[in-house]
Amino acid sequence: QKEVEQNSGPLSVPEGAIASLNCTYSDRGSQSFFWYRQYSGKSPELIMSIYSNGDKEDGRFTAQLNKASQYVSLLIRDSQPSDSATYLCAVNWWVTGGGNKLTFGTGTQLKVEL
Amino acid sequence: GAGVSQSPSNKVTEKGKDVELRCDPISGHTALYWYRQSLGQGLEFLIYFQGNSAPDKSGLPSDRFSAERTGGSVSTLTIQRTQQEDSAVYLCASSLDYRGVQETQYFGPGTRLLVL
Repeated sequence: QKEVEQNSGPLSVPEGAIASLNCTYSDRGSQSFFWYRQYSGKSPELIMSIYSNGDKEDGRFTAQLNKASQYVSLLIRDSQPSDSATYLCAVNWWVTGGGNKLTFGTGTQLKVEL
Repeated sequence: GAGVSQSPSNKVTEKGKDVELRCDPISGHTALYWYRQSLGQGLEFLIYFQGNSAPDKSGLPSDRFSAERTGGSVSTLTIQRTQQEDSAVYLCASSLDYRGVQETQYFGPGTRLLVL
């Protein structure tokens, strides 16, 4: 059973602060890692993907991957109220017989307070 | 270009009835995925298609659930004899190809199913 673990939160941060979201996964063979943002009542939208150890930055977002520790995180700098949403961590793994499969964590709810 | 579309956006049905949910992927995307998200829960994988074939049906929760894809495009998820525990948001996603490990899945808006 491939598992992806996230703290459900809510994680509350003041506006302008850095929000740090964490995710651990069970399958050492996983190669691709994704962060999706989901607003209440909406479908998930991709905000970051990362494939190699280290940091990947895109605007206010930084994804960090440590395959040895099976750990991936998302940092949101200068948090805004519009960042308030549930953040889903997704991990890719290869299904024997064909195909990639994404396993999702249950998500961390982020609240950015004025 | 157009994203993934799903219909209906909302469906209310009575217990025991059959429902069909439709997904139209992004044009040119060969891989299509169905997920279910219950209230306050994460995404539960149901089934995926590469072209018209479904190599992995392991996520379908029971034999009341079936899915098909025709013409390598539109997919239909059918739930027979619906139960109240089937109430959830059913999400469809598509990606360019199922083989690439870096393939990104793009989600549709979902169908909210309520079984009374």
